[in-house]
Amino acid sequence: EIVLTQSPGTLSLSPGERATLSCRPSQSVYSNYLAWYQQKPGQAPRLLIYGASSRATGIPDRFSGSESGTEFTLTISRLEPEDFAVYYCQQYGSSPITFGGGTKVEIK
Amino acid sequence: QVHLVQSGSELKKPGASVKVSCKASGYTFSSFAMNWVRQAPGQGLEWMGWINSNTGNPTYAQGFTGRFVFSLDTSVSTAYLQISSLKPEDTAVYYCARGGYYGSRGWFDPWGQGTLVTVSS
Repeated sequence: EIVLTQSPGTLSLSPGERATLSCRPSQSVYSNYLAWYQQKPGQAPRLLIYGASSRATGIPDRFSGSESGTEFTLTISRLEPEDFAVYYCQQYGSSPITFGGGTKVEIK
Repeated sequence: QVHLVQSGSELKKPGASVKVSCKASGYTFSSFAMNWVRQAPGQGLEWMGWINSNTGNPTYAQGFTGRFVFSLDTSVSTAYLQISSLKPEDTAVYYCARGGYYGSRGWFDPWGQGTLVTVSS
């Protein structure tokens, strides 16, 4: 099973700032099959990024995903008020599919 | 527009069973996998497994064998999750989420709105 470790657990930032979220897998993710989801309180997760760097339909371009070595990164270039939420990474290349523990982005 | 609409919240006693439905629209139901994800109160996301919407073959993640059953009714484009012998620790929000094309590896999009199952005496 691939364990995904997300860091930091909580990120305290102000609107307009840049957010950088990390997701480290315990082993290689097949073909960079790595997705990022946003979840707001009381809502279902929403797909942001798939294939490590492809934005899902309707996702603003301030959200970007990248891969470097053994680490995947979600970057929010300038935080908008609606971006404060919990973010999860997921690998879907190997069974079992696994999720990271989440990073909460909160208003500073 | 692709949508998944789940059944409403359930309150059950320990030992009872529950069946959660997930109705799909806006796409060819049999062409995409359907996944199930559990989220316990205040916790993260846990993949329960998936069902091949073309063949009906289910795959269960470790920890979700025995009491959990995935099924389909393709005539109404609906997937089901049944949980038997409910325990208080089954209290969670259960999500369905569309997966890969014809069972291939795929991201989850869209998700149903979630169904809260509460198990309490």
